[in-house]
Parts: sequence; structure tokens; C-alpha cells
Amino acid sequence: RKEVEQDPGPFNVPEGATVAFNCTYSNSASQSFFWYRQDCRKEPKLLMSVYSSGNEDGRFTAQLNRASQYISLLIRDSKLSDSATYLCVVNSNTGKLIFGQGTTLQVKP
Amino acid sequence: NAGVTQTPKFRVLKTGQSMTLLCAQDMNHEYMYWYRQDPGMGLRLIHYSVGEGTTAKGEVPDGYNVSRLKKQNFLLGLESAAPSQTSVYFCASSPVNEKLFFGSGTQLSVL
Repeated sequence: RKEVEQDPGPFNVPEGATVAFNCTYSNSASQSFFWYRQDCRKEPKLLMSVYSSGNEDGRFTAQLNRASQYISLLIRDSKLSDSATYLCVVNSNTGKLIFGQGTTLQVKP
Repeated sequence: NAGVTQTPKFRVLKTGQSMTLLCAQDMNHEYMYWYRQDPGMGLRLIHYSVGEGTTAKGEVPDGYNVSRLKKQNFLLGLESAAPSQTSVYFCASSPVNEKLFFGSGTQLSVL
């Protein structure tokens, strides 16, 4: 089993839709969690960190469920510009930062 | 402010050739990482370093070696390149094993 797993999608949604991605992790000792965005095989860019209490940044909401070992990303009011691959990243307690395989989102007019 | 610089950006090798990819960061970060990305596979950790003089294996270390002789540099070596190592390689650094700062990537093709 991979340490970090995501549904690769693709998720095809219309503009204005709400879409949610989940990411599961296997190491219960994992300490911190992130969502990155990647466009067209360019370098990934940090979208947001995921805190235990959940956090929101505009149309984006990230949540952590330690009991079930998953994190989630919710995007409200999807825009065409949200089309990208979304990568979850989990920080183990040994210094490793492990990526999920990514979830592809395609927002259509 | 250069951030994280990877060289070269593109390279074509023949099977069995060797090469070294250089990653340099000017942010005084402790942590540095090498990832590879293949279609549909996301980024997979090859090796990483938690400080000058230290290295550790990631998820897919076989066929690669690394060195961190200076804090600002993290070198990735391929001693005998194989077609399976055709990939896009990303280097990243981090101040405290948190937010990653990425280089722009190296496209490597092994024929």
C-alpha cells in the first residue's frame, strides 16, 4: 500500500460547481499535511497547509481527519482557472515529505 | 533572489552513461529533496537530506546516489543510466521540513 493515496480522477465539473478531493495516508505518526497545485508538469506550488482545526482560504477549504487518516480539499464555485492537478503531501516523522499521485480537475464552461 | 536552481534543464543520455544533476538553493534551508515524476505517478521521493553531510533514502532510491557536501547544494547522480530513469526530476528545499520550494525541473531522457 502506498503511504499516500489519492483518486487520480479526472474530475470533470462545470464552472460554479463544488468539488471535493480526499487523500488517505498510512503513517499514523504523520505530523503535517499540505495541498499543492501543479499545472502542466511545471513545478508544484503550495496551495495551502492543512491544520487540525481545518482551514479556509477564499473558495478553498482543507480539513484533516486524524482518526480516519485522511485529508480533504473542497473547492467552491469552481473557475476555469482551477483546472490543474492537486497533490496532497504528507510529512512523516522521519523528515520525508511524500506526495500522493495527484487528482486531476478539469473545469468546463 | 534565485531560490532553487536546477541544472541542467534538459538532458539526453544513452543507456549506461552517467551524469549528475545539481540542485542549488540560496535560502539557507536545512532540508533538500529529489523527486521524480512520471505520467500518472505523481512525485516520488528518491533521496532527501535533513542537513549538510546527511542523506537518506526515499521511496525509489535504487539506481541513484546523492551527496550533500555543502548546505546549499544537493547532487543527484546516475551511475549507469537506464531507460526506466527517463523522467522529470524536481529538486526542492524546505526550511523546517514543511513548505517545499521547488526548482523548475530537469527533463531527462535515456535512450
